[in-house]
Amino acid sequence: DADVTQTPRNRITKTGKRIMLECSQTKGHDRMYWYRQDPGLGLQLIYYSFDVKDINKGEISDGYSVSRQAQAKFSLSLESAIPNQTALYFCATSESSEGRIDTQYFGPGTRLTVL
Amino acid sequence: QKEVEQNSGPLSVPEGAIASLNCTYSDRGSQSFFWYRQYSGKSPELIMFIYSNGDKEDGRFTAQLNKASQYVSLLIRDSQPSDSATYLCAVGVTNRDDKIIFGKGTRLHILP
Repeated sequence: DADVTQTPRNRITKTGKRIMLECSQTKGHDRMYWYRQDPGLGLQLIYYSFDVKDINKGEISDGYSVSRQAQAKFSLSLESAIPNQTALYFCATSESSEGRIDTQYFGPGTRLTVL
Repeated sequence: QKEVEQNSGPLSVPEGAIASLNCTYSDRGSQSFFWYRQYSGKSPELIMFIYSNGDKEDGRFTAQLNKASQYVSLLIRDSQPSDSATYLCAVGVTNRDDKIIFGKGTRLHILP
């Protein structure tokens, strides 16, 4: 079984709808991240969480919210989806090591289309 | 100045040759360096990480780090068609909230 899973894998929705993307991990990592990827723009950090009680905004958090329900679960919500939120969304996890940035491991991604 | 910069490519390399991918970064406090491979529509997959100046080899892959020049590279020996993908350079700085900054990637195309 995959260490980092995302549901759904594909979603088509309409403008104004509320959407939740879910991420679960079995790696036992404390840190979890949500990114979006658009063609030619690379990976952009939306939100990140270093533990259940520590949630931080990334570079493009407007229009998004998150919930860290447990160490293993981190959900991303679009309260009112708009077409420019059409993108590929990735969840990632990493360990926390003193004085060093550890590798991030990515889930398979969710392709979201907002009509 | 872009924080992590890569040539977008495409970089075309004949099968069996050495592919050389380059990356420069702006923050001199950067401490952790990663190379990810990403196939179209798929998630990034870690190829290598490197923390110290010099070379690090793993199979056909060699990562090279030069902190003085703020430069990190990835060499792929005996390139195979399956190496055709986008390669993302990523840099981590502990005084930047422990975030990793990703480059936009270089598209590599191995010519059969």
